[in-house]
Amino acid sequence: DIQMTQSPSSLSASVGDRVTMTCRASRTFNSNLNWFQQKPGKAPELLIYAASSLQSGVPSRFSGSGSGTDFTLTISSLQPEDFATYYCQQSYRTPHTFGQGTKLEIK
Amino acid sequence: QVQLVESGGGLVKPGGSLRLSCAASGFTFSDYYMSWIRQAPGKGLEWVSYISGSSDYTAYADSVRGRFTVSRDDAKNSLYLQMNSLRAEDTAVYYCARSGSSGSYSDYWGQGTLVTVSS
Repeated sequence: DIQMTQSPSSLSASVGDRVTMTCRASRTFNSNLNWFQQKPGKAPELLIYAASSLQSGVPSRFSGSGSGTDFTLTISSLQPEDFATYYCQQSYRTPHTFGQGTKLEIK
Repeated sequence: QVQLVESGGGLVKPGGSLRLSCAASGFTFSDYYMSWIRQAPGKGLEWVSYISGSSDYTAYADSVRGRFTVSRDDAKNSLYLQMNSLRAEDTAVYYCARSGSSGSYSDYWGQGTLVTVSS
């Protein structure tokens, strides 16, 4: 199985900050990497698919990049509604494993 | 609009069985892979299984292979997860999700149904 490791596990930031979080895979693969946002008590929501494609309706302050084993999610200017937990997921090979999550908290 | 509604969760004893359902609407169900993803209380997301639009292809996480079976009824726009030999570690919220024409990403999720395995 492909293991996905996210860093950091938690992150404190302020409204307006630029934030970057990373996801590293245990083996190289193509761009089949997705990012999800989850708020407490809610289902996850797709932000980015295929490493860098913005899902319809997601604000343009979210962006994704990377290839091979290292992938990045960037939020260009944090908004109050962005404080949540973020998960990456590889969909290159089943099982489609998730990272352990990065919890983004208000500083 | 796309809607996914899970049902069938509840309390079950270790070793027991449960069948989850997911009712889909707002899209051509048969065109899409469908997935089950779970989340244990206070933990992260775990991909469980998926099934192709034609039911030709299924895949499972190692942790459930041989105990869980995914199926679908395209005439009823419904997805199922038959869970047998349940263990305490299967306790989780189970989400169904629409997963594209190739299974690459899950763009719509249901609200989840809680399965608790406890004596």
